[in-house]
Amino acid sequence: EVQLVESGGGLIQPGGSLRLSCAASGFTVSSNYMNWVRQAPGRGLEWVSVIYSGGSTYYADSVKGRFTISRDNSKNTLYLQMNSLRAEDTAVYYCARGVFGSGYLLGYWGQGTLVTVSS
Amino acid sequence: EIVMTQSPATLSVSPGERATLSCRASQSVSSNLAWYQQKPGQAPRLLIYGASTRATGIPARFSGSGSGTEFTLTISSLQSEDFAVYYCQQYNNWPPLFGQGTKLEIK
Repeated sequence: EVQLVESGGGLIQPGGSLRLSCAASGFTVSSNYMNWVRQAPGRGLEWVSVIYSGGSTYYADSVKGRFTISRDNSKNTLYLQMNSLRAEDTAVYYCARGVFGSGYLLGYWGQGTLVTVSS
Repeated sequence: EIVMTQSPATLSVSPGERATLSCRASQSVSSNLAWYQQKPGQAPRLLIYGASTRATGIPARFSGSGSGTEFTLTISSLQSEDFAVYYCQQYNNWPPLFGQGTKLEIK
């Protein structure tokens, strides 16, 4: 059974850093396209970043230069390093796996982890 | 980037009736269009991909149609568990943007 479990969220001051983790089971992270999607309170879904099976990475303009997606193959875990955090980064962050050969068609989702950026 | 626009923002429908949700892309996405359902406090769930193919376990009352720039999600005979927010997403081009969502509420 495919499972994705996010962790690492919390309250952080503006300008601070946080690393989110997404532990996967039931499949191999490095063989799949893995994404981060976020949802601000009461708002819609915003795609954040993707890492391809080959290692290429892409980011939304809103986080480019501040966020870094990576994976640890030995731990079968996806990460999102978030630096220079802003109030507008406050959101639930979901990791999601691409399916059916599309990196961005999100067939499996974690339960999400809440990041609150506030002083 | 391709902008996805959903309408209406909120749709009020009675249980047992049919609901029709629309999604428009600012340029063609071929049939690379997905629909997701999200209930309060839950992660989104993939409903439809390829504009019209139901994901595993999705009831037959959910159907999708369209191609190019105009897409529709139809839910026939609404059940209580169908009242939720629905998002469309194009995965034809980068970035894979979502629509702003349609909230389906009980009338």
